[in-house]
Amino acid sequence: NAGVTQTPKFQVLKTGQSMTLQCAQDMNHNSMYWYRQDPGMGLRLIYYSASEGTTDKGEVPNGYNVSRLNKREFSLRLESAAPSQTSVYFCASSQSRTGGTEAFFGQGTRLTVV
Amino acid sequence: QKEVEQDPGPLSVPEGAIVSLNCTYSNSAFQYFMWYRQYSRKGPELLMYTYSSGNKEDGRFTAQVDKSSKYISLFIRDSQPSDSATYLCALGDFNKFYFGSGTKLNVKP
Repeated sequence: NAGVTQTPKFQVLKTGQSMTLQCAQDMNHNSMYWYRQDPGMGLRLIYYSASEGTTDKGEVPNGYNVSRLNKREFSLRLESAAPSQTSVYFCASSQSRTGGTEAFFGQGTRLTVV
Repeated sequence: QKEVEQDPGPLSVPEGAIVSLNCTYSNSAFQYFMWYRQYSRKGPELLMYTYSSGNKEDGRFTAQVDKSSKYISLFIRDSQPSDSATYLCALGDFNKFYFGSGTKLNVKP
């Protein structure tokens, strides 16, 4: 079982460049999430999608946009990368639209902005 | 104030010890409680999930939730070097999860 797959695994960007992080899940889950993880900060929610066709902001949405392309795929876009966006990005999915079920994570994308 | 507070450690114990990991939270709306284990350079993997106060056991792991005190714990019995990882608590409400900052555990052989 692939579970949650993220691409790319590593990326180096120059300040001002744009890129899209891809995420796909094969568990037929309704909800998908994007988190960033920084040392000492834990996981912070950037955006989430409770169901296909809906997206909502999390704790730290500034500088990011998302697209829920279909039930399987949820992408995260950095329009103009900044050094403060250097982080490890995790995509996750869970079954329920209304909460109450556990989240499963991908392996992460390590992004460095120079 | 953070939604979830977790001691970052690091916590170092000898093999075979009982480990206690804890989180406190402030929002009584949280209904779902999870513990994740994260090895270095990997994604978090789910260890335990519960939605009620009390204890839940799974092998060497026991999750404890006290909603009245807004306090959750993870106990690891007979700890092994392979348990060395960062442990994250996660709390969920309607459709979002909030994570603690993680406790780094090192189990020495």
